[in-house]
Amino acid sequence: DQQVKQNSPSLSVQEGRISILNCDYTNSMFDYFLWYKKYPAEGPTFLISISSIKDKNEDGRFTVFLNKSAKHLSLHIVPSQPGDSAVYFCAARGLNSGGSNYKLTFGKGTLLTVNP
Amino acid sequence: ETGVTQTPRHLVMGMTNKKSLKCEQHLGHNAMYWYKQSAKKPLELMFVYNFKEQTENNSVPSRFSPECPNSSHLFLHLHTLQPEDSALYLCASSQDPGGRGYTFGSGTRLTVV
Repeated sequence: DQQVKQNSPSLSVQEGRISILNCDYTNSMFDYFLWYKKYPAEGPTFLISISSIKDKNEDGRFTVFLNKSAKHLSLHIVPSQPGDSAVYFCAARGLNSGGSNYKLTFGKGTLLTVNP
Repeated sequence: ETGVTQTPRHLVMGMTNKKSLKCEQHLGHNAMYWYKQSAKKPLELMFVYNFKEQTENNSVPSRFSPECPNSSHLFLHLHTLQPEDSALYLCASSQDPGGRGYTFGSGTRLTVV
């Protein structure tokens, strides 16, 4: 049972336009949401996060929106640049099965391609 | 270089071999993780160590055996693997379990033949 879902395996946008990457989750107990970016042959790198008590967090060209009632978050990249082409993973933080520690649950990722 | 170093970067092994993956971090983090990334699947958490103690084993088959001798080093010992175990194995660390900023290594691309 996937608790974090990224239903679009890929997205292609034109340079300068907005990229919108979507993520849905099922566990209402998640308290933090994160986006990671991954280039080929490298590990994921942290991009931006948002607490469950917020609905928006902005960092330069990157903004994450959280809609708790819909259990949905999105990452907006404006303006998109060719260097943004990568796989983007959505992740959510919740307690492990024993309730003793937090852990991150990741989605499948969305491959973003920004065309010059 | 992210601060988390994984070796080897690539590994090809037969089903009867025994090999080990190594992960090292000098970020002063207390928690370390092994993740598996297979094609078209989410990153799958395998093991979590907090202050060298294993706190999570996500129903991983016993042919994968983790070892954490100290907070800076993490190993994944592999034996009698199956071809379906071929994947990218990622190590990560964080200040504390489920910390907001995981730092990942570049991964080991494992192929089981």
